[in-house]
Amino acid sequence: QKEVEQDPGPLSVPEGAIVSLNCTYSNSAFQYFMWYRQYSRKGPELLMYTYSSGNKEDGRFTAQVDKSSKYISLFIRDSQPSDSATYLCAMRTFGNEKLTFGTGTRLTIIP
Amino acid sequence: EAGVAQSPRYKIIEKRQSVAFWCNPISGHATLYWYQQILGQGPKLLIQFQNNGVVDDSQLPKDRFSAERLKGVDSTLKIQPAKLEDSAVYLCASSSPPRTSIANEQFFGPGTRLTVL
Repeated sequence: QKEVEQDPGPLSVPEGAIVSLNCTYSNSAFQYFMWYRQYSRKGPELLMYTYSSGNKEDGRFTAQVDKSSKYISLFIRDSQPSDSATYLCAMRTFGNEKLTFGTGTRLTIIP
Repeated sequence: EAGVAQSPRYKIIEKRQSVAFWCNPISGHATLYWYQQILGQGPKLLIQFQNNGVVDDSQLPKDRFSAERLKGVDSTLKIQPAKLEDSAVYLCASSSPPRTSIANEQFFGPGTRLTVL
């Protein structure tokens, strides 16, 4: 079993829709949770990070963590064509900088 | 602030040949990482440097891969000899010391796309 599982998609939704991206993990030592966005032919860029259960909002993006279920989500409201990219969840343990990534979900927003 | 620089951007070689990738991290970033990203997968850490010392190289195939970070700045990753399964994007990332960033955000370069024929 992989430490981090992510639905690879691809996912296509119309512009303006709400998008939900999800990851599950098996290592209960993971304490920090991140979402990276990767455009084609580019390196990943950090979108959001959280370290506690609950919701964290930043503009149109909301990151949700449920440590009891070992489940994290990223919600995108009012999705735009510029949101079309691959979204990678990543996580790490306390005191360790090594990131463990999910496989990524390829998202396309249709104008 | 200039980002992480990598070169070359693309490389095509035949199996059993050798290849080297170069990375220049963001100025002042002490920690440097090399990741391998196979098509359709997330990045996998190969090696992590803190200044010019190795912190984690547990997933580096040491029979064919080597990396160095001389003077704690630039880094090179080498593959010798290459195999077909080494075809991937090789990403370099850097981060600032943990005490200055709770998230310890890793900044990624654009990657080098390697094709082994």
